[in-house]
Amino acid sequence: NAGVTQTPKFQVLKTGQSMTLQCAQDMNHNSMYWYRQDPGMGLRLIYYSASEGTTDKGEVPNGYNVSRLNKREFSLRLESAAPSQTSVYFCASSLPGSEQFFGPGTRLTVL
Amino acid sequence: AQSVTQLDSQVPVFEEAPVELRCNYSSSVSVYLFWYVQYPNQGLQLLLKYLSGSTLVESINGFEAEFNKSQTSFHLRKPSVHISDTAEYFCAVSDQSGGYNKLIFGAGTRLAVHP
Repeated sequence: NAGVTQTPKFQVLKTGQSMTLQCAQDMNHNSMYWYRQDPGMGLRLIYYSASEGTTDKGEVPNGYNVSRLNKREFSLRLESAAPSQTSVYFCASSLPGSEQFFGPGTRLTVL
Repeated sequence: AQSVTQLDSQVPVFEEAPVELRCNYSSSVSVYLFWYVQYPNQGLQLLLKYLSGSTLVESINGFEAEFNKSQTSFHLRKPSVHISDTAEYFCAVSDQSGGYNKLIFGAGTRLAVHP
């Protein structure tokens, strides 16, 4: 039982490049989330998926897209990376009426 | 809109001393409250949660938090800290109408326990 896994662990991009962050969970959770963590700002919700087939914007969705590929997988895409997207990205999942479980994070640097 | 304020960005403390990490929230609706802990280079782990019932909630490693509705606070306390408690602690709130779908986090408090 791996919980929530994220790939890659680290990534360096140049401005304008695109990439997809992958997230998978093996806990049969319905809901999945993407957050970004910046110093002094805590975690901010980018997008979430309450259930398979649905996605909704969170607090800071601009510059990102998501895909809920199936119940297990929820990916985050940066179409044209900008230095302001340098951050640590966390994926999380939960059952209805239960706490969120977090992955280990992806540290992204955009030059 | 909901918000969470963690009043201290850093708290240094000596081993075996008591500690309190402060958290205040604002919301116009009933809320669920959480404390998460993040050890260096790791993801977040749930430390404890208030959903309903007793206003005092406890974790398995000696932390406790008390929900105070009148003061809109959910402060985290431990009577005697260990070196291993060194981590960043995040307070979070979710409104009951939305269930757990949206967590609003505070900026975090970095607890540094010194020998």
